Amino acid sequence: QKEVEQNSGPLSVPEGAIASLNCTYSDRGSQSFFWYRQYSGKSPELIMFIYSNGDKEDGRFTAQLNKASQYVSLLIRDSQPSDSATYLCAVSPSNNDMRFGAGTRLTVKP
Amino acid sequence: GAVVSQHPSWVICKSGTSVKIECRSLDFQATTMFWYRQFPKQSLMLMATSNEGSKATYEQGVEKDKFLINHASLTLSTLTVTSAHPEDSSFYICSAYMDGADTQYFGPGTRLTVL
Repeated sequence: QKEVEQNSGPLSVPEGAIASLNCTYSDRGSQSFFWYRQYSGKSPELIMFIYSNGDKEDGRFTAQLNKASQYVSLLIRDSQPSDSATYLCAVSPSNNDMRFGAGTRLTVKP
Repeated sequence: GAVVSQHPSWVICKSGTSVKIECRSLDFQATTMFWYRQFPKQSLMLMATSNEGSKATYEQGVEKDKFLINHASLTLSTLTVTSAHPEDSSFYICSAYMDGADTQYFGPGTRLTVL
């Protein structure tokens, strides 16, 4: 079992819709959870991080964490074509250590 | 804040030569930096963890004698690809771990092409 699992996609949504990206992880002791966005040919950039169970909102992005289910998700409201990218889920089991999922490719169609 | 730079951004070299890539945290100190490699349309692959003042920790399958890592200061780590071959052509990305923020910030990446 991979440490961090994501559906590779591609996930395609129409412009203006909500995009839902999901991630599961295997290490129950994980404390920190991150979502990165990576455009083609570029390096990843941090979108959000979440530490506590529940929802965390930042603009059009909402991260959701459920430690009991070992599940973290990212919702993108009012999706725009510029949101088209690969989204990487990352989990930090301990300090200085971060494990990445393989990423979900999102396409937002105009 | 939290800016990480890499140099060079791209490099083309002949097979058999060595290439050095620098990773710098510009506005914070990074005790730990990470080196990743990414082939086209594939996910990030962690190559090694670089710790300031000590030897790097390499992931399984990564040759430490081929990919030399030096983390001489709290703001600089270097990766040297020795005797590069065409199969080493890839996108090399570093990240720096920010203490306190408990997260990694990525550099812009270095695209290496070995002819």
